[in-house]
Amino acid sequence: DADVTQTPRNRITKTGKRIMLECSQTKGHDRMYWYRQDPGLGLRLIYYSFDVKDINKGEISDGYSVSRQAQAKFSLSLESAIPNQTALYFCATSDWDQRVGFFGPGTRLTVL
Amino acid sequence: QKEVEQNSGPLSVPEGAIASLNCTYSDRVSQSFFWYRQYSGKSPELIMSIYSNGDKEDGRFTAQLNKASQYVSLLIRDSQPSDSATYLCAVERSGYSTLTFGKGTMLLVSP
Repeated sequence: DADVTQTPRNRITKTGKRIMLECSQTKGHDRMYWYRQDPGLGLRLIYYSFDVKDINKGEISDGYSVSRQAQAKFSLSLESAIPNQTALYFCATSDWDQRVGFFGPGTRLTVL
Repeated sequence: QKEVEQNSGPLSVPEGAIASLNCTYSDRVSQSFFWYRQYSGKSPELIMSIYSNGDKEDGRFTAQLNKASQYVSLLIRDSQPSDSATYLCAVERSGYSTLTFGKGTMLLVSP
């Protein structure tokens, strides 16, 4: 079984819809992250969490929210999706001393 | 704005050659540096980390760090077609324990 899983893997939605991307991990890591990747822009940090009660905004948090339901689960929500949120979204985890060690397989989101 | 700069490439090298990938960063107090490999359509994979000035070798990979020049590089010896991928440089954001990524350099190794 994969260490970091993301659901869904692909999603097409319409402008204004609410959407949730889910991430689960079996690594036992405390730290979890959400990134988006856009062609020509690289990986950018949206939100991160160092434990269940710790949530922090990253570089580009506007338009997004997160929930850390448990050590193993970290969800990203788009309350009202817009086309420029079309991107490849990655969840990642790390142990306290590994910065970012493991990425999930990614979710390709298209907002029409 | 703390930045990490990489040449987008593509960098083309023949099989068996040494590929040299470069990265500069702007945050003078950064202490930790990482290289990730990302195959097309796949997620990034951590391949090297380096924390001290000098060279760190792992198999065919060598990471080099020069903090005074704010420069980190990755050398791939005996390049193979399977090394063809995008290589991402990442620098720890001082005080935050998170990483800032460069945009990546695409490497193409021709047989």
